[in-house]
Amino acid sequence: DTGVSQNPRHKITKRGQNVTFRCDPISEHNRLYWYRQTLGQGPEFLTYFQNEAQLEKSRLLSDRFSAERPKGSFSTLEIQRTEQGDSAMYLCASGGPSNTGELFFGEGSRLTVL
Amino acid sequence: QKEVEQDPGPLSVPEGAIVSLNCTYSNSAFQYFMWYRQYSRKGPELLMYTYSSGNKEDGRFTAQVDKSSKYISLFIRDSQPSDSATYLCAMTGGYQKVTFGTGTKLQVIP
Repeated sequence: DTGVSQNPRHKITKRGQNVTFRCDPISEHNRLYWYRQTLGQGPEFLTYFQNEAQLEKSRLLSDRFSAERPKGSFSTLEIQRTEQGDSAMYLCASGGPSNTGELFFGEGSRLTVL
Repeated sequence: QKEVEQDPGPLSVPEGAIVSLNCTYSNSAFQYFMWYRQYSRKGPELLMYTYSSGNKEDGRFTAQVDKSSKYISLFIRDSQPSDSATYLCAMTGGYQKVTFGTGTKLQVIP
C-alpha cells in the first residue's frame, strides 16, 4: 500500500500524559499537513510542511503541540500534557508538487483523553 | 465569521435524486476549490478539484465555482445509497493551508 500511513490508529491516554503520532506520507510527496477533526466538524488546520520546513502553524495551536518532519519524509505530532479537550481525530495528509490543494489523507489517529 | 461556511445538514434524499451541496467563503485569495468525501471513521478522499470560476464534470458529479459570489456547489446526479457520506468543501490560495468547511452529511435512502 503506497497511501498515507498513520500510527497508532487509536490512542487512549490519561490527562496530563504526552502522546506522539506518526505519519508516513506518499513517498514522492513533499507537502505534509496535520489536521484535527472533532465529531460533526470539518478538519481544522494545525500545521503544514514543505519538505522538512514547517511553513505554517495555526494560531489556535497551543504550545503543547509540536510537529516535526526531520528529513522531509515521515512526520511526528506530539501533544504534551494532554487535556480532555484534545480528544479528536488527528489527520495527516500529503500533497504533491502542485499547489492545487489536492491532498491525500491517511485513516487518522484517534485520541481519547480520559 | 468562518472563512468557509457549509450547511451541516443532515440531508436525506431518495435514491435517484439530484443532490446539491453548497459552500460560501469570504477569502478572495482562494483560487483552488475541492470537494472531499468522508465515510464514517475514515479519512477524507478527494472527489473533485476546480481552479478559479467555472464548471467541472466527472461522471455523476459536477462542481461549480462562482468567484464573484464566493459560492461553490457540488451536484450529484442519480444519487446512490453508496453516496451516503459527509461531503467537505475545501479551498486554498495555493502553496498554503487548505481550509475546510464543516461538512454536509448526506443520506441516500434506497
